[in-house]
Amino acid sequence: TQLLEQSPQFLSIQEGENLTVYCNSSSVFSSLQWYRQEPGEGPVLLVTVVTGGEVKKLKRLTFQFGDARKDSSLHITAAQPGDTGLYLCAGGVGGSEKLVFGKGTKLTVNP
Amino acid sequence: DVKVTQSSRYLVKRTGEKVFLECVQDMDHENMFWYRQDPGLGLRLIYFSYDVKMKEKGDIPEGYSVSREKKERFSLILESASTNQTSMYLCASSAPGQSSYNEQFFGPGTRLTVL
Repeated sequence: TQLLEQSPQFLSIQEGENLTVYCNSSSVFSSLQWYRQEPGEGPVLLVTVVTGGEVKKLKRLTFQFGDARKDSSLHITAAQPGDTGLYLCAGGVGGSEKLVFGKGTKLTVNP
Repeated sequence: DVKVTQSSRYLVKRTGEKVFLECVQDMDHENMFWYRQDPGLGLRLIYFSYDVKMKEKGDIPEGYSVSREKKERFSLILESASTNQTSMYLCASSAPGQSSYNEQFFGPGTRLTVL
């Protein structure tokens, strides 16, 4: 069974701070997605990374896929209250249409 | 933009009732999914459909059934609702993995409470 472990589970920081969220596995994934979910809403896709070592930037968010395609990180620079939400990573497995989801990191950015 | 809609945002039902949750997507996606989301347990796959009338059990199918009569619509049925089925239900859709990297697009969710 493939698992994705996210850490930390909870993170509460002040506006303007930087943070990194991790997504780790012992399994290789063909792709890795990051989603953000706001309370009472469905997850929204932020980014997909597919190549080992790939780095993608989305404004203040930087996503990295590990060289071996077993792990990923999300770094937020100068966090803002609007970044508050549940961040989920999900891995694609070759030959399957399904995704393996991590349990998420709940981020709170205080003004 | 992909749009996935769910029939209700909030639903309150009584134990033993039959409950229908409907999901519609407008992107002609082959794959559709039903998940439930509970604190501390993350997203758990209930059922998956890869084509009309085709379905596959997920990790927690007990107490649920599904129907996919049209490509754009995927229904989740709780045959006899129980209090332990109180949860957030999320529907998602995706194009075939080879062309889409398995990217899933989610609806807004249905918060179901069973009394």
